[in-house]
Amino acid sequence: EVQLVQSGVEVKKPGESLKISCKGSGYSFTSYWIGWVRQMPGKGLEWMGIIYPGDSNTRYSPSFQGQVTISADKSISTAYLQWSSLKASDTAIYYCARHSRSGYYGPDYWGQGTLVTVSS
Amino acid sequence: QSVLTQPPSASGTPGQRVTVSCSGSSSNIGSNTVNWYQQLPGTAPKLLIYSNNQRPSGVPDRFSGSKSGTSASLAISGLQSEDEADYYCAAWDDSLNGLVFGGGTKLTVL
Repeated sequence: EVQLVQSGVEVKKPGESLKISCKGSGYSFTSYWIGWVRQMPGKGLEWMGIIYPGDSNTRYSPSFQGQVTISADKSISTAYLQWSSLKASDTAIYYCARHSRSGYYGPDYWGQGTLVTVSS
Repeated sequence: QSVLTQPPSASGTPGQRVTVSCSGSSSNIGSNTVNWYQQLPGTAPKLLIYSNNQRPSGVPDRFSGSKSGTSASLAISGLQSEDEADYYCAAWDDSLNGLVFGGGTKLTVL
């Protein structure tokens, strides 16, 4: 059974750094792209980017390029989403999601979501 | 402003058939397949339809998808109260080189 298990709730202050995680199991982690989707409070889904754990190749949405860093550690089947300096507007639920082998299709499996709250 | 356009809301009574539209362009729906996702209140999205009209195992056949040109549709027949949720379409966009979502449609079962 494919499972994506994300790290827990985060409460941070503006300017702080943060790295959240997503551990995949039940499939070949290095053979599928895995990515992140943002959902701001009361809003829709926004695709942020994906990474291919096999070779760490990444693709970012233009809206998120330079704002976040997506990485993966294939030795522990875990993907990460990282900020160097959080802003209040980063407050959202972040979902990790398994994409296809090619990366050119929407995700099939989703994590449970990680709520990130940024407030002074 | 989402790249894919969906109506913000839709509604129906139990047993009815409802459709949700998703409009795009030649760089996304016109040249790539469409997925649909269901997001029940307070939960993560779930894949409902992939490759325009394919249902993952476990998704009732009350849910169906179609695509024509640069538009796609999700149809729900025999509407049930548990279908009350937000529905999102998604497709790869060749110009943006990324996945794009519709803004979401909130389905209310009256």
